[in-house]
Amino acid sequence: AQTVTQSQPEMSVQEAETVTLSCTYDTSESDYYLFWYKQPPSRQMILVIRQEAYKQQNATENRFSVNFQKAAKSFSLKISDSQLGDAAMYFCALRRGTSYGKLTFGQGTILTVHP
Amino acid sequence: GAGVSQSPSNKVTEKGKDVELRCDPISGHTALYWYRQRLGQGLEFLIYFQGNSAPDKSGLPSDRFSAERTGESVSTLTIQRTQQEDSAVYLCASSLTRELFDEQFFGPGTRLTVL
Repeated sequence: AQTVTQSQPEMSVQEAETVTLSCTYDTSESDYYLFWYKQPPSRQMILVIRQEAYKQQNATENRFSVNFQKAAKSFSLKISDSQLGDAAMYFCALRRGTSYGKLTFGQGTILTVHP
Repeated sequence: GAGVSQSPSNKVTEKGKDVELRCDPISGHTALYWYRQRLGQGLEFLIYFQGNSAPDKSGLPSDRFSAERTGESVSTLTIQRTQQEDSAVYLCASSLTRELFDEQFFGPGTRLTVL
Protein backbone atom coordinates (compact mmCIF):
# COMPACT_ATOMS: atom_id res chain seq x y z
CA ALA A 1 0.00 0.00 0.00
CA GLN A 2 1.08 3.57 -0.62
CA THR A 3 0.60 6.46 1.77
CA VAL A 4 1.20 10.18 1.52
CA THR A 5 1.31 12.43 4.57
CA GLN A 6 1.14 16.19 4.74
CA SER A 7 1.70 17.24 8.33
CA GLN A 8 0.91 20.93 7.88
CA PRO A 9 -2.86 21.51 7.68
CA GLU A 10 -2.30 25.25 7.18
CA MET A 11 0.57 27.53 6.24
CA SER A 12 0.82 31.24 5.65
CA VAL A 13 3.32 33.48 3.92
CA GLN A 14 3.78 37.14 3.16
CA GLU A 15 3.58 38.21 -0.44
CA ALA A 16 7.03 38.05 -2.12
CA GLU A 17 8.39 35.75 0.58
CA THR A 18 9.28 32.06 0.33
CA VAL A 19 7.34 29.18 1.84
CA THR A 20 7.99 25.44 2.00
CA LEU A 21 5.25 22.81 2.18
CA SER A 22 6.17 19.39 3.55
CA CYS A 23 5.25 15.95 2.31
CA THR A 24 6.39 12.47 3.27
CA TYR A 25 5.38 9.26 1.59
CA ASP A 26 5.73 5.54 1.82
CA THR A 27 5.80 3.03 -0.97
CA SER A 28 7.37 -0.35 -1.61
CA GLU A 29 7.83 0.51 -5.28
CA SER A 30 11.26 1.41 -6.60
CA ASP A 31 9.83 3.33 -9.53
CA TYR A 32 7.26 6.03 -8.89
CA TYR A 33 6.30 9.61 -9.60
CA LEU A 34 5.57 12.42 -7.16
CA PHE A 35 3.37 15.43 -7.79
CA TRP A 36 2.22 18.65 -6.25
CA TYR A 37 -1.26 19.82 -7.20
CA LYS A 38 -2.91 23.14 -6.45
CA GLN A 39 -6.65 23.36 -5.77
CA PRO A 40 -8.06 26.90 -5.63
CA PRO A 41 -11.59 27.59 -4.37
CA SER A 42 -12.88 26.81 -7.86
CA ARG A 43 -12.05 23.14 -7.07
CA GLN A 44 -10.07 22.79 -10.30
CA MET A 45 -6.98 20.68 -9.61
CA ILE A 46 -3.92 22.10 -11.32
CA LEU A 47 -0.62 20.28 -11.68
CA VAL A 48 2.16 22.42 -10.22
CA ILE A 49 5.22 20.22 -10.55
CA ARG A 50 6.23 16.58 -10.82
CA GLN A 51 9.30 14.51 -10.04
CA GLU A 52 10.32 11.13 -11.38
CA ALA A 53 11.82 9.06 -8.57
CA TYR A 54 14.68 7.81 -10.73
CA LYS A 55 15.88 11.36 -11.32
CA GLN A 56 18.22 12.74 -8.70
CA GLN A 57 17.90 16.31 -9.89
CA ASN A 58 15.15 18.26 -8.19
CA ALA A 59 12.40 19.50 -10.47
CA THR A 60 11.78 23.22 -10.91
CA GLU A 61 8.99 25.15 -12.62
CA ASN A 62 9.53 28.90 -12.50
CA ARG A 63 8.88 29.95 -8.88
CA PHE A 64 8.15 26.38 -7.78
CA SER A 65 10.81 23.86 -6.87
CA VAL A 66 10.98 20.63 -4.92
CA ASN A 67 13.41 19.12 -2.47
CA PHE A 68 13.27 15.39 -3.18
CA GLN A 69 14.99 13.24 -0.58
CA LYS A 70 14.46 9.68 -1.78
CA ALA A 71 16.12 7.91 1.14
CA ALA A 72 14.07 9.92 3.62
CA LYS A 73 10.93 9.60 1.45
CA SER A 74 10.44 13.32 1.63
CA PHE A 75 9.13 15.61 -1.11
CA SER A 76 8.74 19.25 -0.12
CA LEU A 77 7.53 22.12 -2.30
CA LYS A 78 9.18 25.51 -2.18
CA ILE A 79 7.31 28.53 -3.50
CA SER A 80 9.51 31.56 -4.07
CA ASP A 81 8.34 35.15 -4.45
CA SER A 82 4.85 34.16 -3.27
CA GLN A 83 1.95 35.83 -5.01
CA LEU A 84 -1.64 36.36 -3.93
CA GLY A 85 -2.71 33.93 -6.66
CA ASP A 86 -0.75 31.16 -4.99
CA ALA A 87 -3.32 30.98 -2.21
CA ALA A 88 -4.98 27.58 -2.46
CA MET A 89 -5.03 24.06 -1.07
CA TYR A 90 -1.91 22.14 -2.08
CA PHE A 91 -1.84 18.38 -2.38
CA CYS A 92 1.11 16.06 -2.59
CA ALA A 93 0.44 12.91 -4.61
CA LEU A 94 2.20 9.66 -5.50
CA ARG A 95 1.82 7.43 -8.51
CA ARG A 96 3.48 4.05 -8.76
CA GLY A 97 5.76 3.42 -11.69
CA THR A 98 3.95 0.48 -13.17
CA SER A 99 0.79 -0.02 -15.21
CA TYR A 100 -1.51 2.97 -14.98
CA GLY A 101 -1.71 6.30 -13.26
CA LYS A 102 -3.87 6.00 -10.14
CA LEU A 103 -2.85 8.80 -7.75
CA THR A 104 -2.59 8.55 -3.96
CA PHE A 105 -3.05 11.95 -2.31
CA GLY A 106 -2.08 13.52 0.98
CA GLN A 107 -4.56 15.38 3.15
CA GLY A 108 -3.62 18.78 1.79
CA THR A 109 -2.14 22.04 3.11
CA ILE A 110 -4.09 25.28 2.96
CA LEU A 111 -1.77 28.10 1.94
CA THR A 112 -2.71 31.68 2.79
CA VAL A 113 -0.78 34.56 1.21
CA HIS A 114 -0.87 37.87 3.07
CA PRO A 115 -0.45 41.12 1.14
CA GLY B 1 -14.26 21.33 -25.25
CA ALA B 2 -10.94 22.51 -23.94
CA GLY B 3 -11.04 20.67 -20.63
CA VAL B 4 -12.75 18.00 -18.58
CA SER B 5 -16.31 18.93 -17.75
CA GLN B 6 -18.58 17.53 -15.08
CA SER B 7 -22.27 17.87 -14.41
CA PRO B 8 -24.07 18.84 -12.38
CA SER B 9 -21.80 21.26 -10.57
CA ASN B 10 -23.79 20.78 -7.38
CA LYS B 11 -26.34 18.17 -6.42
CA VAL B 12 -28.49 18.08 -3.32
CA THR B 13 -30.44 14.91 -2.71
CA GLU B 14 -32.33 13.16 0.03
CA LYS B 15 -31.01 10.12 1.80
CA GLY B 16 -32.05 6.97 -0.01
CA LYS B 17 -32.30 8.52 -3.48
CA ASP B 18 -30.14 7.50 -6.43
CA VAL B 19 -27.87 10.02 -8.15
CA GLU B 20 -25.93 10.08 -11.42
CA LEU B 21 -22.82 12.16 -11.90
CA ARG B 22 -21.46 12.79 -15.36
CA CYS B 23 -17.94 13.32 -16.65
CA ASP B 24 -16.96 14.44 -20.15
CA PRO B 25 -13.24 13.84 -20.64
CA ILE B 26 -11.00 15.70 -23.03
CA SER B 27 -11.61 14.43 -26.54
CA GLY B 28 -9.22 11.61 -27.43
CA HIS B 29 -8.25 10.80 -23.86
CA THR B 30 -8.40 7.06 -23.35
CA ALA B 31 -7.85 6.94 -19.59
CA LEU B 32 -10.43 8.24 -17.14
CA TYR B 33 -10.37 8.31 -13.33
CA TRP B 34 -12.94 9.07 -10.65
CA TYR B 35 -11.90 10.39 -7.24
CA ARG B 36 -13.84 11.39 -4.14
CA GLN B 37 -12.87 14.32 -1.93
CA ARG B 38 -14.49 14.54 1.47
CA LEU B 39 -14.57 17.92 3.18
CA GLY B 40 -11.07 19.06 4.10
CA GLN B 41 -9.52 15.82 2.89
CA GLY B 42 -7.38 14.63 0.05
CA LEU B 43 -8.70 12.81 -2.97
CA GLU B 44 -9.52 9.10 -2.76
CA PHE B 45 -9.32 6.97 -5.88
CA LEU B 46 -12.58 5.29 -6.86
CA ILE B 47 -12.25 3.73 -10.31
CA TYR B 48 -10.12 3.77 -13.46
CA PHE B 49 -11.29 3.29 -17.03
CA GLN B 50 -9.15 2.45 -20.02
CA GLY B 51 -11.46 2.93 -22.95
CA ASN B 52 -14.78 1.52 -21.81
CA SER B 53 -13.37 -1.18 -19.56
CA ALA B 54 -12.61 -0.71 -15.88
CA PRO B 55 -9.47 -2.65 -14.94
CA ASP B 56 -9.44 -1.19 -11.43
CA LYS B 57 -12.60 -0.68 -9.39
CA SER B 58 -10.82 -1.19 -6.09
CA GLY B 59 -11.70 2.22 -4.69
CA LEU B 60 -15.48 1.94 -4.96
CA PRO B 61 -16.58 2.04 -1.31
CA SER B 62 -19.59 -0.26 -1.59
CA ASP B 63 -21.86 -2.01 -4.05
CA ARG B 64 -24.07 1.09 -4.02
CA PHE B 65 -21.44 2.71 -6.22
CA SER B 66 -21.09 1.85 -9.89
CA ALA B 67 -19.69 3.52 -12.98
CA GLU B 68 -19.71 3.04 -16.70
CA ARG B 69 -18.11 4.63 -19.70
CA THR B 70 -19.26 4.82 -23.28
CA GLY B 71 -16.33 4.08 -25.56
CA GLU B 72 -13.64 6.67 -24.91
CA SER B 73 -16.19 9.30 -24.09
CA VAL B 74 -18.62 10.13 -21.32
CA SER B 75 -18.54 8.38 -17.97
CA THR B 76 -21.30 8.18 -15.41
CA LEU B 77 -20.85 7.48 -11.71
CA THR B 78 -24.03 6.22 -10.07
CA ILE B 79 -24.66 6.12 -6.35
CA GLN B 80 -27.72 4.15 -5.29
CA ARG B 81 -29.60 4.63 -2.03
CA THR B 82 -27.43 7.59 -1.06
CA GLN B 83 -26.27 7.98 2.52
CA GLN B 84 -25.10 11.10 4.34
CA GLU B 85 -21.55 9.74 4.34
CA ASP B 86 -21.62 9.96 0.53
CA SER B 87 -21.57 13.75 0.77
CA ALA B 88 -18.37 14.87 -0.92
CA VAL B 89 -16.95 16.40 -4.07
CA TYR B 90 -16.60 13.84 -6.86
CA LEU B 91 -13.78 14.65 -9.27
CA CYS B 92 -13.09 13.16 -12.64
CA ALA B 93 -9.76 13.22 -14.46
CA SER B 94 -8.63 12.09 -17.88
CA SER B 95 -5.30 11.50 -19.55
CA LEU B 96 -4.30 10.85 -23.15
CA THR B 97 -3.15 7.34 -22.43
CA ARG B 98 -2.46 5.30 -19.34
CA GLU B 99 1.27 5.99 -19.68
CA LEU B 100 2.87 7.30 -16.55
CA PHE B 101 4.15 10.50 -18.08
CA ASP B 102 0.72 11.54 -19.27
CA GLU B 103 -0.70 14.31 -17.14
CA GLN B 104 -4.12 13.81 -15.60
CA PHE B 105 -6.41 16.74 -16.27
CA PHE B 106 -9.12 17.24 -13.69
CA GLY B 107 -12.66 18.50 -14.01
CA PRO B 108 -14.17 21.01 -11.56
CA GLY B 109 -16.03 18.29 -9.70
CA THR B 110 -19.59 17.70 -8.57
CA ARG B 111 -20.40 18.65 -5.00
CA LEU B 112 -22.89 16.10 -3.69
CA THR B 113 -24.86 16.87 -0.54
CA VAL B 114 -27.04 14.16 0.95
CA LEU B 115 -29.60 15.47 3.42
